[in-house]
Amino acid sequence: DVKVTQSSRYLVKRTGEKVFLECVQDMDHENMFWYRQDPGLGLRLIYFSYDVKMKEKGDIPEGYSVSREKKERFSLILESASTNQTSMYLCASSGTPRVVLFFGEGSRLTVL
Amino acid sequence: AQRVTQPEKLLSVFKGAPVELKCNYSYSGSPELFWYVQYSRQRLQLLLRHISRESIKGFTADLNKGETSFHLKKPFAQEEDSAMYYCALSETSGSRLTFGEGTQLTVNP
Repeated sequence: DVKVTQSSRYLVKRTGEKVFLECVQDMDHENMFWYRQDPGLGLRLIYFSYDVKMKEKGDIPEGYSVSREKKERFSLILESASTNQTSMYLCASSGTPRVVLFFGEGSRLTVL
Repeated sequence: AQRVTQPEKLLSVFKGAPVELKCNYSYSGSPELFWYVQYSRQRLQLLLRHISRESIKGFTADLNKGETSFHLKKPFAQEEDSAMYYCALSETSGSRLTFGEGTQLTVNP
């Protein structure tokens, strides 16, 4: 069974703080994704990566960056957190086919 | 650009009743459609994909290209079907998924 692990389930940060969300998968998947999940808006793609050191912008990349230094790890970075980034963040990975995603449990971020 | 619309944010039915969760999409190419489900306190997971043409947990979904729809149906809802359901579309290249807004299904006893 694929295991996607997000290191922090709940975080509370202050406006302007730098925030790191970590995601690790253990199935040697090439593809990794970061979504945010908001009521009434569904899941929106922030960034994705198809290979180590590779990244692509999703639909809402503004205010975020990512890092993929190792195949199993994909980090989401909020350089300067803002209140409108309060959300549930979901990490996912996939092998082949690329669009069959395996999700982590989510990281609920509150920015005060 | 592709778009997925789930017109019902909330859907409530009684146990044993039929249920249909609506999904409409807009995409000019040949899409692949999916339903993902999130049960309470569980992670989001794949329920079914249209190319598999299979029934999962009694749910089926048929891709209607004429109406650009991919509605999820079950003839007799069970309480354990209560969950958040997301419809999703993959463009022809199979590079990424676009999700709908989600429908929260509640099956009452």
